[in-house]
Amino acid sequence: QVQLQESGPGLVKPSQTLSLTCSVSGGSLSVGNFYWSWIRQPAGKGLEWIGRMSISEASDYNPSLKSRVSISADTSSHQFSLKLNSVTAADTAVYYCAKGDSGSGEVEDIWGQGILVTVSS
Amino acid sequence: DVVMTQSPLSLSVTLGQPASISCGSSQSLVYRDGDTYLNWFHQRPGQSPRRLIYKVSIRDSGVPGRFSGSRSGTDFTLRISRVEAEDVGVYYCMQGTHWPWTFGQGTKVEIK
Repeated sequence: QVQLQESGPGLVKPSQTLSLTCSVSGGSLSVGNFYWSWIRQPAGKGLEWIGRMSISEASDYNPSLKSRVSISADTSSHQFSLKLNSVTAADTAVYYCAKGDSGSGEVEDIWGQGILVTVSS
Repeated sequence: DVVMTQSPLSLSVTLGQPASISCGSSQSLVYRDGDTYLNWFHQRPGQSPRRLIYKVSIRDSGVPGRFSGSRSGTDFTLRISRVEAEDVGVYYCMQGTHWPWTFGQGTKVEIK
């Protein structure tokens, strides 16, 4: 059973880079036809898909964040990561990593527990 | 981006009574393979979202049979036949047909 765990700083200063890691246990990053994704949720608000990656395809990013975001994987460490540059208070949110796809049903949809990141000086 | 619009945004339901949540999309969610990638998620307070339904009406493993999904054109509906206490939380529709994948605003369900 795949499990995901987010980690990283809970506090980031404005204009700096938010860096988070998702550790994958119980499965391989490089096997299977599915995506590893990052999704975020500001407090009391809805969900926003940040981006997705798969080992066989280039990463896709939400156009609203594309100029500031990158997602990459370290298969040897069983981790994938999120970097978001030039953060502002609007980037304060709970960040989730997830494994899944568009909803084909061929892949189990799994989410991490989420990590709260606050952007503040 | 595809805009997903849910209604109502909040719902107060008596235990054992049915509940229904609507979700409309700003464009067709039929993918070139003929499938419609419309999902429903449930998020309990303090927890991560959990997918309940994919491809409009197929329940994920372990999802109780009281949950069902349906479609009429670009309008989608999640129904709970008899609400139980564990069903409280926020329900989101999500489309996986067009990138970026997008969610509805969420519908908060509480027990009356």
